[in-house]
Amino acid sequence: LAKTTQPISMDSYEGQEVNITCSHNNIATNDYITWYQQFPSQGPRFIIQGYKTKVTNEVASLFIPADRKSSTLSLPRVSLSDTAVYYCLVGYNTDKLIFGTGTRLQVFP
Amino acid sequence: NAGVTQTPKFQVLKTGQSMTLQCAQDMNHNSMYWYRQDPGMGLRLIYYSASEGTTDKGEVPNGYNVSRLNKREFSLRLESAAPSQTSVYFCASSEDGRTQYFGPGTRLTVL
Repeated sequence: LAKTTQPISMDSYEGQEVNITCSHNNIATNDYITWYQQFPSQGPRFIIQGYKTKVTNEVASLFIPADRKSSTLSLPRVSLSDTAVYYCLVGYNTDKLIFGTGTRLQVFP
Repeated sequence: NAGVTQTPKFQVLKTGQSMTLQCAQDMNHNSMYWYRQDPGMGLRLIYYSASEGTTDKGEVPNGYNVSRLNKREFSLRLESAAPSQTSVYFCASSEDGRTQYFGPGTRLTVL
C-alpha cells in the first residue's frame, strides 16, 4: 500500500494561491493520485485525480512530476469557504486506499 | 439525483444494543463502502462491496457485519454495540474503483 505524507496544517489568506504537497515514495505503476476535501460534519468530497503531469478542473490543479513520488494540489485564490481538511490518496482500487489525517487548511480574511 | 443517502443522521445506543445503518445510492455504481471516522482522524475502511452479492473486510471489520441488499443499498450492522464504536460512519460508492462519492454520515454514540 502506498503511504502518503502531507503537512498536518497550513494557513493562508483570502485571495492567495495555496499549494499542498503530498509525498508518496512507493507509488506503484498503476496507482492514481486522488485528492478529497472534507468540511466539518460532512463526508469527503472528490476534488481532483491524476496519473501524471498536470490535471486542471474548475476548482483545482494537480501537478505530478515525472517520477510520481510526490504531487501538489494547487488551489487558486482561496476564500474562507476553502477552509477544510484535504486528503491525498494513492492507489488503484478504492478498497486499498488509506485516508491519513490529511492537511488542515485554515484561510483567514 | 440524491447521490448517496444515509439513515439515520444521529443515533445514541446503550452498550450491547444492536442497530443497522442504512445506505443507498442512485448513481448505479457497482462498488460501495463503509468507513468510520474518529475525532481528528482520517477515515478507516470497515467493509466494502465490489459488486452486488459480494462483500469484503476492510481495515477495521471487527464488531460489524454488512449486507449488500441490491445494487443500490449497502447496510452496516452493529450486533452488540460497544463504546469504542462511537464514531461518525460514512458510506460511499464508486463506479471506477478510484473515485468515491460519500454520504452525509451517521453520528453514533454508544454509552
